[in-house]
Amino acid sequence: AQKVTQAQTEISVVEKEDVTLDCVYETRDTTYYLFWYKQPPSGELVFLIRRNSFDEQNEISGRYSWNFQKSTSSFNFTITASQVVDSAVYFCALSGKETSGSRLTFGEGTQLTVNP
Amino acid sequence: ETGVTQTPRHLVMGMTNKKSLKCEQHLGHNAMYWYKQSAKKPLELMFVYSLEERVENNSVPSRFSPECPNSSHLFLHLHTLQPEDSALYLCASSQGRLAGGTQYFGPGTRLTVL
Repeated sequence: AQKVTQAQTEISVVEKEDVTLDCVYETRDTTYYLFWYKQPPSGELVFLIRRNSFDEQNEISGRYSWNFQKSTSSFNFTITASQVVDSAVYFCALSGKETSGSRLTFGEGTQLTVNP
Repeated sequence: ETGVTQTPRHLVMGMTNKKSLKCEQHLGHNAMYWYKQSAKKPLELMFVYSLEERVENNSVPSRFSPECPNSSHLFLHLHTLQPEDSALYLCASSQGRLAGGTQYFGPGTRLTVL
């Protein structure tokens, strides 16, 4: 069975602070894919990043960065110099090649609030 | 229109009504999905369509009836719903059903059942 755990239910920061959202996953697949989505109050899930299990290189996109560590089964997401517009629910998700195909297993999400 | 669109964005219905949710994707994808997102619960996958064929139905009650007339359109027909069916219903699409295919989501329909 696959599982994604986002232990932080809610995080509140002040604008310009850095914040890290944790994601820990479980899978028996040897090939798998990890995703992060952002859900602002409007409701739409916005795709942020996709990473496959063979690529452990960390990635940076503007103020966003992702740290993938297979040794600890973690795929953490950091926002640098947070802004009010970053306030949203963030979901980590997993799909496994052998067991689930395109089916995504989502974590329960982390509500991030960035205060001015 | 770009991406994935859903109509209506908000819907209030009584338990005896019949209504339909519509999803349209403009991405050239061939797989489409319905998800249910209830308060304080993880997203729940309801149905998966691939090349207009239903390939997955996750024990969804028969009061929810999906329809996929072509690879760009997906409907969710609703009848005799219960108050606990009130939720955000999200549609998504992807290119194929292989693992790793990124799913792109619509803005959702906020459904309230009275």
